[in-house]
This record gives sequence, structure tokens and C-alpha cells, in this order.
Amino acid sequence: GAGVSQSPRYKVAKRGQDVALRCDPISGHVSLFWYQQALGQGPEFLTYFQNEAQLDKSGLPSDRFFAERPEGSVSTLKIQRTQQEDSAVYLCASSPNNQGTYLFFGSGTQLSVL
Amino acid sequence: KNEVEQSPQNLTAQEGEFITINCSYSVGISALHWLQQHPGGGIVSLFMLSSGKKKHGRLIATINIQEKHSSLHITASHPRDSAVYICAVSRGAQKLVFGQGTRLTINP
Repeated sequence: GAGVSQSPRYKVAKRGQDVALRCDPISGHVSLFWYQQALGQGPEFLTYFQNEAQLDKSGLPSDRFFAERPEGSVSTLKIQRTQQEDSAVYLCASSPNNQGTYLFFGSGTQLSVL
Repeated sequence: KNEVEQSPQNLTAQEGEFITINCSYSVGISALHWLQQHPGGGIVSLFMLSSGKKKHGRLIATINIQEKHSSLHITASHPRDSAVYICAVSRGAQKLVFGQGTRLTINP
């Protein structure tokens, strides 16, 4: 596709349920980022991949959060045993280089944990 | 104190007005980004700056590295400009640090 694609667009989960959020970056983009955006707040960094290598996961809020990008293209953010405080929009962004410049964002996945 | 501060948090103006949104940051950066987010939509990158000034259509972005300050200007504002405008900085490492955003509403 022409842009960064995220799915699902909306996800409602019961507390304690596991969820998986998918990001399809622009083809050939080296860098991939996950951000979490709480309601009314700016996005906050979760994790960064350069190709298949997860170079920075310092923003993952707990060990319930796990991200992978096994073939250096599609990435999945998994949240285990979801909690209400996990409710947020999860944004994915990709960049053609490893400088973090020229970022392209997806539309996000809005996660609501009930 | 947040590393990136935006002002104002909310801005309402009439169509045609000149708009200025400000961003101050407290750390050394390699680049500053201005982003636009529409309700329910994703984020669109407007500008990336490391110095000086950039212009795209009715949008102008400036940065003063010494003062750690950037401004986003919109000339001849239009209701379709209504969105949240977010300032974000990168610090050599790849991740961005975001401001909280400025919610702009342009009334017809």
C-alpha cells in the first residue's frame, strides 16, 4: 500500500484478554516505531525497530507488552492480560532511514479495555 | 517539566486569521517535527526542521536553535485546518519526544 497501515482500527477487549495489534509499514522502510497515545495527550514512545532488530524497548510500560518484527517488515504489538489503563490509541510509524526523519504514521488502533 | 512544551493548548480563531503555535524544548535536538492529527485520524508529518524556516502552502515553520524554540504559522486559516498540531523533537537517537499538542479550531 501507499502508506502505513494498522489493523484493527478499533479493538474492544475485556480486562485480562490478550490483544495483538498489527502494523504494515511502507515497503522498504528501515525504521519502525510504536507509540501510545492516551486520550488528550501527546504520543509516548514505546519501542523502535531497525529492520528486524528491536533496538529500543525502553518505553514499553510493563512486561505485558511485547513487540516483534521478525522479517523486518510487518510488526505486531502484543499486550497480554490487558488492563483498563492500557486503553489508548496505539500508533505505528515508519521511516526510510535510521535517522528517525521523514516519518510516516499510520491511523492508529484505538484500544478500549472494559 | 515536560521536555517539549506547546502553547497554547487550545486555540479558536475565525476563518482568515493568522495562526501561531509555539513549541519550546529543553534538551539538545537533532531535528524538530511538526505534525497534524485530525479527530479519529492518523498523524501527518508537516515539517521536519533542524534550522531556519520552511514553507509549504499556507504553512510556515521556523526554528531558533539557540533559543530552543519553534513556531508553526498558518496564513489565511480555513475551517479545514482545524486539527491538533503536535511538536516533537528527536535527539539523535531515533525516538521522538512529543508535546501535548495544540487543538486548533477555525470557525467559518
